[in-house]
Amino acid sequence: EAGVAQSPRYKIIEKRQSVAFWCNPISGHATLYWYQQILGQGPKLLIQFQNNGVVDDSQLPKDRFSAERLKGVDSTLKIQPAKLEDSAVYLCASSLDRFSGELFFGEGSRLTVL
Amino acid sequence: AQSVAQPEDQVNVAEGNPLTVKCTYSVSGNPYLFWYVQYPNRGLQFLLKYITGDNLVKGSYGFEAEFNKSQTSFHLKKPSALVSDSALYFCAVDNFNKFYFGSGTKLNVKP
Repeated sequence: EAGVAQSPRYKIIEKRQSVAFWCNPISGHATLYWYQQILGQGPKLLIQFQNNGVVDDSQLPKDRFSAERLKGVDSTLKIQPAKLEDSAVYLCASSLDRFSGELFFGEGSRLTVL
Repeated sequence: AQSVAQPEDQVNVAEGNPLTVKCTYSVSGNPYLFWYVQYPNRGLQFLLKYITGDNLVKGSYGFEAEFNKSQTSFHLKKPSALVSDSALYFCAVDNFNKFYFGSGTKLNVKP
């Protein structure tokens, strides 16, 4: 069974530039999550989708971050414009549904903002 | 405030010795509890979970965790540590379908 795929693995940009991350969850998984993991901290939930609808985006900085999951499968997370404090690993995870409890994570996309 | 606490940034143990990685939580209701492991430059991997029932749950790679409701703790344990267990361990709480992660504990197992 293929795991959660994320790209790119690494990205370096200047502040005020934009960046996009892509995630392809495990086939059949209805729930998709984007987490931000800053060095030395635990993952922080940015947004949670159930199929193509948003369940929770309370911690998403909506002035600069956006995410979509148009067809209920792949998802894209965008940052525009980036700030220095956005340097982090962005983790995508999926689960069968909101109630299964077990998340499957991708390897993450490491963003460095200079 | 709802939170998950991992009081130790780092745990050092000799190979073959038992290990414990501590986790306490502060959430309302009856949450689901999880442990995940993260190896360098990799995503998090599920180890085990507690939903209900027996307070001692067994998971992958010989790990187990003990749920203690009165102390609101969910400590990760292994009877005999391996060097390959060295990694970053995260405790997580699923409360009403919202996942909260602790800050992580780095486990160092020395030969």
